Formats: sequence, C-alpha cells, structure tokens
Amino acid sequence: GAGVSQTPSNKVTEKGKYVELRCDPISGHTALYWYRQSLGQGPEFLIYFQGTGAADDSGLPNDRFFAVRPEGSVSTLKIQRTERGDSAVYLCASSSDYLANYGYTFGSGTRLTVV
Amino acid sequence: QQQVKQSPQSLIVQKGGISIINCAYENTAFDYFPWYQQFPGKGPALLIAIRPDVSEKKEGRFTISFNKSAKQFSLHIMDSQPGDSATYFCAAKGYGGSQGNLIFGKGTKLSVKP
Repeated sequence: GAGVSQTPSNKVTEKGKYVELRCDPISGHTALYWYRQSLGQGPEFLIYFQGTGAADDSGLPNDRFFAVRPEGSVSTLKIQRTERGDSAVYLCASSSDYLANYGYTFGSGTRLTVV
Repeated sequence: QQQVKQSPQSLIVQKGGISIINCAYENTAFDYFPWYQQFPGKGPALLIAIRPDVSEKKEGRFTISFNKSAKQFSLHIMDSQPGDSATYFCAAKGYGGSQGNLIFGKGTKLSVKP
C-alpha cells in the first residue's frame, strides 16, 4: 500500500483481556518496528523485525507482550492479560533498510485503552 | 536513562518568527539524527535528518544545526506558519545492536500564533 496501515485505529478492552494489534507495512519494506507512545511522550521502541525474524525485542516491557511477522510483511503485536498501564498509542513503522537511510514511515497508530 | 534530551517542552511563536528546538544526546555511537513532526491523531512524519559528517542541513524553511563536539543538534523553522503547529520530536540512532533503533526525545509542542 501507499503507507503503513494499522488496525484497529482504536481499541478499548477490559483489564485482563487479550488484544491483537495489526500492522501492514509499506510493500517491499523489509524492516518493521513497533513503538509505544504514552500521552505527552515520545515514541518508545518495543521490537524490530528484519524480514520474518525479531532482530531486537529488547524494548518489550515484559512477557505479556509478543509480536510476530510470519511472512515478512504484516505484523501483529499481541498483549496478554492487559493492564491499565498498557494504555497508550501503539505505533508501527517500516523502512526499506535497517540503516533507515530514508527514514522510518509511521502509521497513524492504534490507541489502546484498558479499562 | 534518557539518551536524547529535548527542550523546550512547549514553544509559542508568532507567525513569521523563527522556532528553535534543541536536543542533546549522550551516546557517541549515534550517527543519524532525524526530526519528526506529529499532528494530533497521526503518526510521526520524517521532516529532515542529518548525519554527523555535516554541521548544517537545510530543506526549505527547516534547518538542522549539528554540533558534534557538544553532542547537540537543533531544528530551526524559519518564517513559522500556523500550519507548522504540531509536536516535534528529535531522535537519534546508531548502528547495530541496541543502538540500532531510533531513540526519541520527549517532544516539543509548537504553537504558531497568527
């Protein structure tokens, strides 16, 4: 597609529930990133994929968070046993190369609210 | 530990004025310094970027000034317009390992008054 697509745009869930957030990167982009942005803060790195494999997952806050990219294109961020502190905007970005010589292109994000 | 410190947190500028946002970094392995612009409800969009082998880069009304020895870089917006009102983030990135991903500052909310 023309840009990075994230669905849903908004998600409200109850504490303790499981959620999946989807990212469809720009066609042909091999690198895919997940970031989390809390209100009034800059995006914080969660995980980076090069192709199908997670090259760096050092930003995932705990084992409730998991992400996959089985075919090297679409990625899903999965959060188990959601907590109110997980409420944030989850941003996905893609780039044509790891060095990001042309920058990251971000999607509009999924706003997750845990009630 | 915050690796990229950004200031000010908010900025109000009159139309036609110059907006200046500053960032400082700690990790000397960083070698790519972009600025992103974010409007409400949207993801950050790349505005301009610089690598440490140059001291200044200009694109239209936007200029990055880079001081490698001081580990500081800044964004200047000339002839600021109300349409520039947004949140601006500086960021930094190294190569490989945990340094290989963009680290963002906390952002500056710019308001340009007509």
